Amino acid sequence: GQQLNQSPQSMFIQEGEDVSMNCTSSSIFNTWLWYKQEPGEGPVLLIALYKAGELTSNGRLTAQFGITRKDSFLNISASIPSDVGIYFCAGPYGGSQGNLIFGKGTKLSVKP
Amino acid sequence: NAGVTQTPKFRVLKTGQSMTLLCAQDMNHEYMYWYRQDPGMGLRLIHYSVGEGTTAKGEVPDGYNVSRLKKQNFLLGLESAAPSQTSVYFCASSAPGRGVGYTFGSGTRLTVV
Repeated sequence: GQQLNQSPQSMFIQEGEDVSMNCTSSSIFNTWLWYKQEPGEGPVLLIALYKAGELTSNGRLTAQFGITRKDSFLNISASIPSDVGIYFCAGPYGGSQGNLIFGKGTKLSVKP
Repeated sequence: NAGVTQTPKFRVLKTGQSMTLLCAQDMNHEYMYWYRQDPGMGLRLIHYSVGEGTTAKGEVPDGYNVSRLKKQNFLLGLESAAPSQTSVYFCASSAPGRGVGYTFGSGTRLTVV
């Protein structure tokens, strides 16, 4: 079945540093979604991308829809302690329903 | 604005016991989903529903049953709990369509001993 591969699996960074993570697939996706999950909570949608090459920002977060349509990237600038959490990429797979498939996540830890 | 509400938040079951997890959404969403989250495994779809009275299997449906008698509610049942079903369960809902973002509940942490 389809899989989304996220890297890195985890990151330990200093407050103020920039962060980059990515998500790749063996199949073409028409939509890429990025979620953040804080400890003890459900995932929350951060950014949605619908067009190859699209670059979308949400505050200090910027995500890009790869030109090949098989990858997506998420960058966080000037990280702060509240950026801690697990970041998931997701995309619709199969048939007309297009249920979301999720990557296994990138766990971000920020040291003050 | 409650969004997606899951009950209970925590539960401990003995092997062989049964229980039902309740999910309620107040956004008038057509679609609802149940996922489980395990360490290193990400989110895996158990069952989903595209409307009142309809359900379908996801990636890992074995050992679970679901019902969607009312549009706003989606129930996940475990008939005979097993230790392998120890997990965090998330319910989500969305409007119809491919690539539409889901709204998640805050999860139910289930331990089967």
